[in-house]
Amino acid sequence: EPEVTQTPSHQVTQMGQEVILRCVPISNHLYFYWYRQILGQKVEFLVSFYNNEISEKSEIFDDQFSVERPDGSNFTLKIRSTKLEDSAMYFCASSEGGGTGNEQFFGPGTRLTVL
Amino acid sequence: AQKVTQAQTEISVVEKEDVTLDCVYETRDTTYYLFWYKQPPSGELVFLIRRNSFDEQNEISGRYSWNFQKSTSSFNFTITASQVVDSAVYFCALSEDGTSGSRLTFGEGTQLTVNP
Repeated sequence: EPEVTQTPSHQVTQMGQEVILRCVPISNHLYFYWYRQILGQKVEFLVSFYNNEISEKSEIFDDQFSVERPDGSNFTLKIRSTKLEDSAMYFCASSEGGGTGNEQFFGPGTRLTVL
Repeated sequence: AQKVTQAQTEISVVEKEDVTLDCVYETRDTTYYLFWYKQPPSGELVFLIRRNSFDEQNEISGRYSWNFQKSTSSFNFTITASQVVDSAVYFCALSEDGTSGSRLTFGEGTQLTVNP
């Protein structure tokens, strides 16, 4: 069964460093998402992406964040200058369609630890 | 703005007990979807069910059942004859009308512990 994959599974970085989290969505999906979950808290929407541009972003997704689909398979989330509060699990998701009822398939997550 | 509330932060039951997880939502849209996801200790998010706002028919799937009531804006989830493997955090989520990628708004989650 096709699945969303994410690398790395765990990333440790120093405050102020740039990190890139990578995701490979399901191949025939057209809509891509990033969510964040701070330890012990709820899952929060960051951004949705379609047709090589951001469709929607939350208030969390400030200028420190960017997303890119550099080729036909990868979808990346970049954090330009990490802060301690960026420590969280980051989930990538993809869906075939963009409408409300389309199931979003989640990857296993990348745990980001900022020291 | 959409909002999902899961008032139960933690529930602990003994194996074979039935347990119901509550979810209340707020939305201004007439078209929306509701979801339940399970997050086991390993951390991944596992899709369980989705219901649309026009389908209030309740459903049973094995040991799982769902009770959707628009009149009270609730979408509750019941596990019958709970098992230790059901121990996880359960998230209720809401998706409103969107055509270019619909964000999911999650509740705070309910930590379910099933003891042997």
